[in-house]
Amino acid sequence: GAVVSQHPSRVICKSGTSVKIECRSLDFQATTMFWYRQFPKKSLMLMATSNEGSKATYEQGVEKDKFLINHASLTLSTLTVTSAHPEDSSFYICSASMFRGATNEKLFFGSGTQLSVL
Amino acid sequence: GESVGLHLPTLSVQEGDNSIINCAYSNSASDYFIWYKQESGKGPQFIIDIRSNMDKRQGQRVTVLLNKTVKHLSLQIAATQPGDSAVYFCAEKYAGNMLTFGGGTRLMVKP
Repeated sequence: GAVVSQHPSRVICKSGTSVKIECRSLDFQATTMFWYRQFPKKSLMLMATSNEGSKATYEQGVEKDKFLINHASLTLSTLTVTSAHPEDSSFYICSASMFRGATNEKLFFGSGTQLSVL
Repeated sequence: GESVGLHLPTLSVQEGDNSIINCAYSNSASDYFIWYKQESGKGPQFIIDIRSNMDKRQGQRVTVLLNKTVKHLSLQIAATQPGDSAVYFCAEKYAGNMLTFGGGTRLMVKP
């Protein structure tokens, strides 16, 4: 099956710094990628959808200036948490689809990134 | 708003027994459903899906049942193994909208 690699798996940073998380599709071209946030013992919350070469679409309540998403190539999307604060600590997961504008059916998920902001 | 939920937050079963994980959805227009398995510290893994024109779909050791009348979805795991221990999420979508994930059920398999 298709493989999505997410890096890093775990990151600890100081408050006020920025953290970049990478999501790569290893054996297919991901025209659409999704970023989720997951709190402990909770479900996945969609943060944003990014299509290669265009601006990301953010879900209501998600600050686009805080969570910068770049999808510059068909195999790589990045999420940058800017000026991170302790409340940004969470498990972030990406997923990818081969289909542009996909409504996230048939997704392939990354392994997640645990962000801890001190 | 519309929501997808699960009846049991934790399910504990004996190894070898069958497991049934339930999910209730509230949007009668939902036409596609997926079950995901998530192990600790990992991303969700696709298990099985079903469209609304079907009542039942079988995979390897897993069966998904869809009851549209009562808006209920279930995942049955046959001969549950320790490796099945994880959190299971149902997800639903309708028309061109995004998948909505349910709250998750933790399955614990006792040896």
